[in-house]
Amino acid sequence: SQTIHQWPATLVQPVGSPLSLECTVEGTSNPNLYWYRQAAGRGLQLLFYSVGIGQISSEVPQNLSASRPQDRQFILSSKKLLLSDSGFYLCAWSGYRGPPYEQYFGPGTRLTVT
Amino acid sequence: KNEVEQSPQNLTAQEGEFITINCSYSVGISALHWLQQHPGGGIVSLFMLSSGKKKHGRLIATINIQEKHSSLHITASHPRDSAVYICAATISSGSARQLTFGSGTQLTVLP
Repeated sequence: SQTIHQWPATLVQPVGSPLSLECTVEGTSNPNLYWYRQAAGRGLQLLFYSVGIGQISSEVPQNLSASRPQDRQFILSSKKLLLSDSGFYLCAWSGYRGPPYEQYFGPGTRLTVT
Repeated sequence: KNEVEQSPQNLTAQEGEFITINCSYSVGISALHWLQQHPGGGIVSLFMLSSGKKKHGRLIATINIQEKHSSLHITASHPRDSAVYICAATISSGSARQLTFGSGTQLTVLP
């Protein structure tokens, strides 16, 4: 069966510090991968998605970036965090057959920028 | 106006009650998704449907394509059903991989 991992689970970082969040998927090949953010009291917002190694689509301009160095690894990064980057970050995967694509979410990382 | 609207925003029920959460959308879609977000934040995909009805345990999801409306029903509700329920749509004219989310329904089931 497929499993999706995210780490860390919780992170507190000062403004201006770098960020690296990691997501890995097990039990599937060539998944579509997604990064979402949920700010406090708000809905889910798609940040990036990837259909393959090195292929990243950005949905919202911001100071975040994403990379996919391996088929089942998706990384969210920032060089300098802003207060507004605080939120709950979710990684998700879907199979490559579609549309439509049913998405499966990871446990999330709660990021607080102080 | 949001392309995907949910109602109610908040819902409190007594254990055992039948619950309905509604979702309406204003654009063409290829699929409608129902998600459950637990208090800790984790999200579980409950259903993805393009037509008709799906059932899993005490949960039933229906969609009426002509009326652009979907409902999530919970029969014999239980306190462990307390969560935020989110509907999301794969919009036909957009990226097939992007979901457009409703604002969520906070469900509280009291013992």
